[in-house]
Amino acid sequence: SQELEQSPQSLIVQEGKNLTINCTSSKTLYGLYWYKQKYGEGLIFLMMLQKGGEEKSHEKITAKLDEKKQQSSLHITASQPSHAGIYLCGADTGGYQKVTFGTGTKLQVIP
Amino acid sequence: DTEVTQTPKHLVMGMTNKKSLKCEQHMGHRAMYWYKQKAKKPPELMFVYSYEKLSINESVPSRFSPECPNSSLLNLHLHALQPEDSALYLCASSQAGSNSPLHFGNGTRLTVT
Repeated sequence: SQELEQSPQSLIVQEGKNLTINCTSSKTLYGLYWYKQKYGEGLIFLMMLQKGGEEKSHEKITAKLDEKKQQSSLHITASQPSHAGIYLCGADTGGYQKVTFGTGTKLQVIP
Repeated sequence: DTEVTQTPKHLVMGMTNKKSLKCEQHMGHRAMYWYKQKAKKPPELMFVYSYEKLSINESVPSRFSPECPNSSLLNLHLHALQPEDSALYLCASSQAGSNSPLHFGNGTRLTVT
């Protein structure tokens, strides 16, 4: 089965600082999703990556998928308190609509 | 605001009760999902419906019974639950086929007493 490990598990940063969250898969990724979740709420879709070397940006968040398609990173530039939450990577196992999620990274941004 | 609506937001039920969770989407998606999320853990897949047919059941106990009456609605019927079933239950929808992002509702917080 697909296993996704995220690091770090938690992160506390000062507002305005940059940060990176990593997601490592035990298998080749055919589709990699990044989501954000606030406590007790649903998951908000951020970005999807499919091709090796692909990079996407939205506002101050950039996600990359490495060439080997086994690792993805999420980078936040000039963090703000609104970026606080739990970031989850998710992987599509390919053709079966079976999306499994990583262990999650809890981000706190101190004003 | 989410385009996937789940009701109720909170539910407290006894172990002998029967209750249902409801999920509705109007994005024209033909795949719908139930996930269970325990505190400080990632969501775990329970069921997937594709074109109103059950396509994946992740060995979920029979006390959880899903139903997809039409392409916009998804229910989860609950009966004789255990306290360890207390969790956040999340519904999601997507385009049918692989590599389509899931869109989640805000979940139902279930407490079994």
